[in-house]
Amino acid sequence: DAKTTQPPSMDCAEGRAANLPCNHSTISGNEYVYWYRQIHSQGPQYIIHGLKNNETNEMASLIITEDRKSSTLILPHATLRDTAVYYCIVRAYMEYGNKLVFGAGTILRVKS
Amino acid sequence: SAVISQKPSRDICQRGTSLTIQCQVDSQVTMMFWYRQQPGQSLTLIATANQGSEATYESGFVIDKFPISRPNLTFSTLTVSNMSPEDSSIYLCSVEKGTGETQYFGPGTRLLVL
Repeated sequence: DAKTTQPPSMDCAEGRAANLPCNHSTISGNEYVYWYRQIHSQGPQYIIHGLKNNETNEMASLIITEDRKSSTLILPHATLRDTAVYYCIVRAYMEYGNKLVFGAGTILRVKS
Repeated sequence: SAVISQKPSRDICQRGTSLTIQCQVDSQVTMMFWYRQQPGQSLTLIATANQGSEATYESGFVIDKFPISRPNLTFSTLTVSNMSPEDSSIYLCSVEKGTGETQYFGPGTRLLVL
C-alpha cells in the first residue's frame, strides 16, 4: 500500500502557483519524498525528490516540514501543460528492493 | 536521466494471442522494471527484470503469463501471454542507473485486447 495521502484533485489558475500537499506521517528516517507526474496516458515523469531540506530545480520546489510528516510540491507558475496526475511517493534511496509504490495521486487541472 | 523507448507504442490484439513489448535504454542501467496501468488506475509493479537471471515477480503476477527477458544492461522484453480483454492496459518500462537511484519511465505501450 502507498504510504502517502494526497487530495484526489485540485484546480489552479494559469500563471498562479500550484501547491500540491502530501501527507506521509509514517515516513522513516532513511526515506526520501519523490514526486512524479503523469500527463494523460504518457509515462510518469520524474519531478523532484528530497530528504529533509527544501529542494528546487527547474521544474518545481519541494518543501518538507521539519518533522518530515508532510510536504508540498510547488509549481511556481502553472501552465495548461502542467495539467496531470501528480504522485507523491516515499522510498528509501540507494536501497535494493525498495520499490516505488504509486497511490492514486492528485489530479491537477490548470485552467485559463 | 535516461532516454527510454518502447516498441510497439500501441497495439490491438485478439484474445488468446501473445504480444512482446520491447524496452530499450540509451545507456547501461542496473535495474529495469515493468509496470501495468489498467484503465483509470494507478501503476502496479509487475516485476523486476534481472540481467542474466529470472525476473522477480510481484504478488499476483506469474512468469507463465508475463515472461520477461533481460539479455543485457540496456534491453528488456515483456511478453503478455494468452491475452484476454482484462489485459488491456498501458505497460510501462522503467530504469534505475544505479540500484535505488531515481527511477525513470518509458513512454508506455497501450494494449487493447478484443
